[in-house]
Amino acid sequence: GAVVSQHPSRVICKSGTSVKIECRSLDFQATTMFWYRQFPKKSLMLMATSNEGSKATYEQGVEKDKFLINHASLTLSTLTVTSAHPEDSSFYICSARAGQPNEKLFFGSGTQLSVL
Amino acid sequence: LAKTTQPISMDSYEGQEVNITCSHNNIATNDYITWYQQFPSQGPRFIIQGYKTKVTNEVASLFIPADRKSSTLSLPRVSLSDTAVYYCLVAYSSASKIIFGSGTRLSIRP
Repeated sequence: GAVVSQHPSRVICKSGTSVKIECRSLDFQATTMFWYRQFPKKSLMLMATSNEGSKATYEQGVEKDKFLINHASLTLSTLTVTSAHPEDSSFYICSARAGQPNEKLFFGSGTQLSVL
Repeated sequence: LAKTTQPISMDSYEGQEVNITCSHNNIATNDYITWYQQFPSQGPRFIIQGYKTKVTNEVASLFIPADRKSSTLSLPRVSLSDTAVYYCLVAYSSASKIIFGSGTRLSIRP
């Protein structure tokens, strides 16, 4: 299957700093990428949908100025958590849509963010 | 968006066949049904996808009745390594949102 690479896999930062998470589709072009957040033993929560070359669409309750998403190319989307606080600590997962006609989703390995 | 309902958890033993059913009563004509597996601290992994009837691959089978309002993921002869959370997703191919349901936490015992 298609490969989605997500980096870093784990990051620990101090409160107030910004953290960037990269999501790359390695062997296909992804016109759409999805960013999810997951708390322990909970399901994935959609944060935003990222379309190449246009602004991301954020879900209700997700602060767009807090979680900056850039999808500048067909193989790269980034999520920047700005001025991170302990409550932003979570597991973040990206996903890219690939292929025709069924357009399956392929997921990155996730990023565990811990804000001290 | 089609809402999905799955059992919260299931238990089974090694070597057994496990069937996990997902209800999606308001599935739309263009929607596909896709199942994913997730291990702790990892991203979900694609298992199988179908539109109707039966689909089989090297790891699982997917049964979809004619009305498509439910689907059943069948895992033959499970092992301890099949302990994971399984998600059923229903969406059309170019959906702008892909929403996860609660998933089914499958525990396999020796």
